[in-house]
Amino acid sequence: AQSVTQPDIHITVSEGASLELRCNYSYGATPYLFWYVQSPGQGLQLLLKYFSGDTLVQGIKGFEAEFKRSQSSFNLRKPSVHWSDAAEYFCAVANTGTASKLTFGTGTRLQVTL
Amino acid sequence: GAVVSQHPSWVICKSGTSVKIECRSLDFQATTMFWYRQFPKQSLMLMATSNEGSKATYEQGVEKDKFLINHASLTLSTLTVTSAHPEDSSFYICSVDSTGSNQPQHFGDGTRLSIL
Repeated sequence: AQSVTQPDIHITVSEGASLELRCNYSYGATPYLFWYVQSPGQGLQLLLKYFSGDTLVQGIKGFEAEFKRSQSSFNLRKPSVHWSDAAEYFCAVANTGTASKLTFGTGTRLQVTL
Repeated sequence: GAVVSQHPSWVICKSGTSVKIECRSLDFQATTMFWYRQFPKQSLMLMATSNEGSKATYEQGVEKDKFLINHASLTLSTLTVTSAHPEDSSFYICSVDSTGSNQPQHFGDGTRLSIL
């Protein structure tokens, strides 16, 4: 069965600093990978996705993620964090062939200090 | 603009009440919708897959008679929490499979259910 691990439960960064959120997955083949962001009391917004092709994917709000097959990772990065980026971030994986059935990681809560 | 509309956003009711949550796809027809449950500070757990015109597919451990799902049209799925108890209090989120496979889900804003 597929699974997702987000090792960091809570991360605090200063505004303007760079950010990297870790995500490791377990899946037999090349999966579909996603990063979602959730503000308190809200649903999820898709930041970016990887299906195939270029392993460095660009998303919205200045985020990017790199798929590394050898490390089974899909880490999310942003070069300069803004205070409005404070939220919960979820990495998710889906079976190849259908992007629909998602398995989520436990999430990383990002706090941004001014 | 919003792609998925979920209603209500927040509901408080007494124990034993049944509560219906609606999930509407605004921009496209959705043969498949998903219902998730999220406990405080935890991840989303898939409860069931809602299929238009047929029975929902429930994940292991989810009570079918407790969480009734109806997907009567291509734009609407409903989740009814029957005879709700305090342990059913949670954040329920729906999502829509926009165009079938190979497309990411669009999520509603969620419904916070509090059972007193």
